[in-house]
Amino acid sequence: SQTIHQWPATLVQPVGSPLSLECTVEGTSNPNLYWYRQAAGRGLQLLFYSVGIGQISSEVPQNLSASRPQDRQFILSSKKLLLSDSGFYLCAWSAGQSTEAFFGQGTRLTVV
Amino acid sequence: KQEVTQIPAALSVPEGENLVLNCSFTDSAIYNLQWFRQDPGKGLTSLLLIQSSQREQTSGRLNASLDKSSGRSTLYIAASQPGDSATYLCAVKAGAAGKSTFGDGTTLTVKP
Repeated sequence: SQTIHQWPATLVQPVGSPLSLECTVEGTSNPNLYWYRQAAGRGLQLLFYSVGIGQISSEVPQNLSASRPQDRQFILSSKKLLLSDSGFYLCAWSAGQSTEAFFGQGTRLTVV
Repeated sequence: KQEVTQIPAALSVPEGENLVLNCSFTDSAIYNLQWFRQDPGKGLTSLLLIQSSQREQTSGRLNASLDKSSGRSTLYIAASQPGDSATYLCAVKAGAAGKSTFGDGTTLTVKP
């Protein structure tokens, strides 16, 4: 069966520090991968998506970037964190554009 | 641009009541609609997936309907229990790479 791993679960980082959040999927090949951010009490906002290795599409201009170095690995990064980058970050995958989406357990990022 | 609205934003009911959560979307060109459950500080758990060609899906005490032409979906929860307390999110999937657009959720509290 397919599983999705996301880490770390929580992270406290100072303003100006770098960020790297990792997401891996097991049990499937060539998944569509997504990074979302959730503000407190709100729904999810799509940040990046990828349909293949090295293929990254950005939805919202921001201080973040994403990379897909391997088929089932999706990384969210920042060179210098801002206070406004705080939030709950969720990674998701789906087998195709019209299939069910599955989510990781999320990373709570607090920038101080 | 797709917009998803969930009403009500919060709902409090006594245990045993049947209830309905509403979700509406502006663009009917979707692949599917998915209902999720989110517990505080946790990731998303998929509850029901309705493909665009379907009218409803059932799982246990949950029943979700989809009226694509009117841009509406409902999630019906029968005989609610305190363990049903959570935030319920709906998401529609559409477009290239199957991007999901989320509503802001309905926070449900079931009182014993």
